[in-house]
Amino acid sequence: KAGVTQTPRYLIKTRGQQVTLSCSPISGHRSVSWYQQTPGQGLQFLFEYFSETQRNKGNFPGRFSGRQFSNSRSEMNVSTLELGDSALYLCASSLGGFGETQYFGPGTRLLVL
Amino acid sequence: DQQVKQNSPSLSVQEGRISILNCDYTNSMFDYFLWYKKYPAEGPTFLISISSIKDKNEDGRFTVFLNKSAKHLSLHIVPSQPGDSAVYFCAASSGTDKLIFGTGTRLQVFP
Repeated sequence: KAGVTQTPRYLIKTRGQQVTLSCSPISGHRSVSWYQQTPGQGLQFLFEYFSETQRNKGNFPGRFSGRQFSNSRSEMNVSTLELGDSALYLCASSLGGFGETQYFGPGTRLLVL
Repeated sequence: DQQVKQNSPSLSVQEGRISILNCDYTNSMFDYFLWYKKYPAEGPTFLISISSIKDKNEDGRFTVFLNKSAKHLSLHIVPSQPGDSAVYFCAASSGTDKLIFGTGTRLQVFP
């Protein structure tokens, strides 16, 4: 079974631009969660989608948004990029139950200049 | 407010010895705990988990211990191998809430 895939793997943007990241979960998984990883901060939870609905949300500003499609693929959008948004963005999928093991993609490394 | 804390950012252990990675949490509602391992340029991979009804779970060289009264869990790797060198994240969740991750501990196993 194919794992979680994320595109693109690397991205360079400038301040003020917007970016869209994509995540394809493991087949059959209905939950997709997004995390931001920065040095010293661990994995900060952004949001979780289940059956096209946002089920959980972390403490990030409204510039961070996401959506999930009927095939469970998910996109994350960041508008008006700031230098501090430079990070590794990880998505993880699970079957859908709370507290289930999540399987991570390789991440998208975003650099904001 | 960091609900899951890994106070040691790094740990260095000789090959063949035991590696002990520690994790503390503050939320007494957490009832499920996991450890993930992360290599550079890869996403975290699930290692082992434990539910709050148990105090120990073992999988090969990896054992997780949970001390609910101390709100502390630890991951033991015995024997440590060079391939275990990675960043280890502990994570916790309560029944209907999201997974909360610690900041990670970088383990280096040297020959």
